[in-house]
Amino acid sequence: DVKVTQSSRYLVKRTGEKVFLECVQDMDHENMFWYRQDPGLGLRLIYFSYDVKMKEKGDIPEGYSVSREKKERFSLILESASTNQTSMYLCASRNRGGSYNEQFFGPGTRLTVL
Amino acid sequence: DQQVKQNSPSLSVQEGRISILNCDYTNSMFDYFLWYKKYPAEGPTFLISISSIKDKNEDGRFTVFLNKSAKHLSLHIVPSQPGDSAVYFCAASLYSGNTPLVFGKGTRLSVIA
Repeated sequence: DVKVTQSSRYLVKRTGEKVFLECVQDMDHENMFWYRQDPGLGLRLIYFSYDVKMKEKGDIPEGYSVSREKKERFSLILESASTNQTSMYLCASRNRGGSYNEQFFGPGTRLTVL
Repeated sequence: DQQVKQNSPSLSVQEGRISILNCDYTNSMFDYFLWYKKYPAEGPTFLISISSIKDKNEDGRFTVFLNKSAKHLSLHIVPSQPGDSAVYFCAASLYSGNTPLVFGKGTRLSVIA
């Protein structure tokens, strides 16, 4: 059974803290993605990576950075958390090789910044 | 500029009736379309897809229709069940394994018993 796992389901942090969100996939997928979901705004792409050590900015990269040192792991970093980064964060992975591939999502991390 | 649009933020349907969720897109280069379902506090899960060479794909109670000339697709759920209550996202893909799916903003479906 294919799987994308995220390190925490719920997280509470304080303003200014550095926050790490970890994502691991076991499908040997080349592509990995970080989204945030907010009511009325849908799924917004923060960053994605199409290979180890490669990264591309998505639609809303400001305030975030990412790291991909191993193929199976993609980390999202909030350098200095702010209250407007309170959100549901979703990681996904996808196989390369044409468009007829779905993205598999993890269960999400509900982050609250106080 | 939104390339994939779901113009109805919410939809309410009675149990047993048909649910129709709509999606419009602007990029004629999209060649694969997917629907995802999302329950609260969970990640989206893949529901059904259709390639641009087809106009219909069916999987049990779920059918997706594609009208390429109108750049429109729709998801039909028949019969609707209370467990179908969720947010549904439409997504589109370009022919490149390296590009992310482009998602609509979602439609919240409520199926009333």
